[in-house]
Amino acid sequence: EPEVTQTPSHQVTQMGQEVILRCVPISNHLYFYWYRQILGQKVEFLVSFYNNEISEKSEIFDDQFSVERPDGSNFTLKIRSTKLEDSAMYFCASGSGSTGSGGYTFGSGTRLTVV
Amino acid sequence: RKEVEQDPGPFNVPEGATVAFNCTYSNSASQSFFWYRQDCRKEPKLLMSVYSSGNEDGRFTAQLNRASQYISLLIRDSKLSDSATYLCVVNRYSSASKIIFGSGTRLSIRP
Repeated sequence: EPEVTQTPSHQVTQMGQEVILRCVPISNHLYFYWYRQILGQKVEFLVSFYNNEISEKSEIFDDQFSVERPDGSNFTLKIRSTKLEDSAMYFCASGSGSTGSGGYTFGSGTRLTVV
Repeated sequence: RKEVEQDPGPFNVPEGATVAFNCTYSNSASQSFFWYRQDCRKEPKLLMSVYSSGNEDGRFTAQLNRASQYISLLIRDSKLSDSATYLCVVNRYSSASKIIFGSGTRLSIRP
C-alpha cells in the first residue's frame, strides 16, 4: 500500500535554530498538507499546497514557517527560528483530490522537540 | 463555537459492548465527512468516510445528518484493539481544501 514517508522521525533542536522537516508524498497525489499536534491536543491544520503554491494556511503558519516542493517529490516544512512552543508532532499528508474518498494519507510524523 | 466538536470522553467499556460517538460541525457548507482513528503517538488513519445514506463497514456504522449537522459512529461487539482516539473530520469546501479535525474521543476497551 502506498505510503507517505517523513524524515526524521524525531528531531531535537535548540531554540532559535532552523529546522527542515521532510516528506515524500504518495507519487500520484496532487494535494499536500502539513498538520501539527501538540502533545495531548488536537490535530491542527498548518498549510495546504497545490500546483506548486500554498492554497491555504492557518494563523499558526506565520512568517517563521515556509513550505517547498523543490524537486517534485520531496515536500518540506521549514521553521526558521524555532520556539519552545513549536515542540509538537508534525504530520505531512497527501491527497488524491477525490472528494469523499477520504483520500488523505498521513505520514507517521516527525516529533520536534525544541529545547 | 468550535468548527468540529466531539465529546472528549474517555469512554471505558467492556469488550463486546456497543459504543456510540457523536460529533457536530458548525459550517453548513461542509462537503465531506470522515472518521479517523489515532493510536497513542501515531498518525491519524482513515477509519471510514461518512455518507448521507449512512454506511457500514463490518462492526462500524457511520451516520450523517446534514440538517442537524451531526455525525455519529457506532462500534458493535467492541474488541480490545478498538482502544484508540476517534477523530471526527470534516472537509469544508472541496477535495483540495483542508480537513478539520475534532479534538477526538478516547475509547478504552477493558477485558
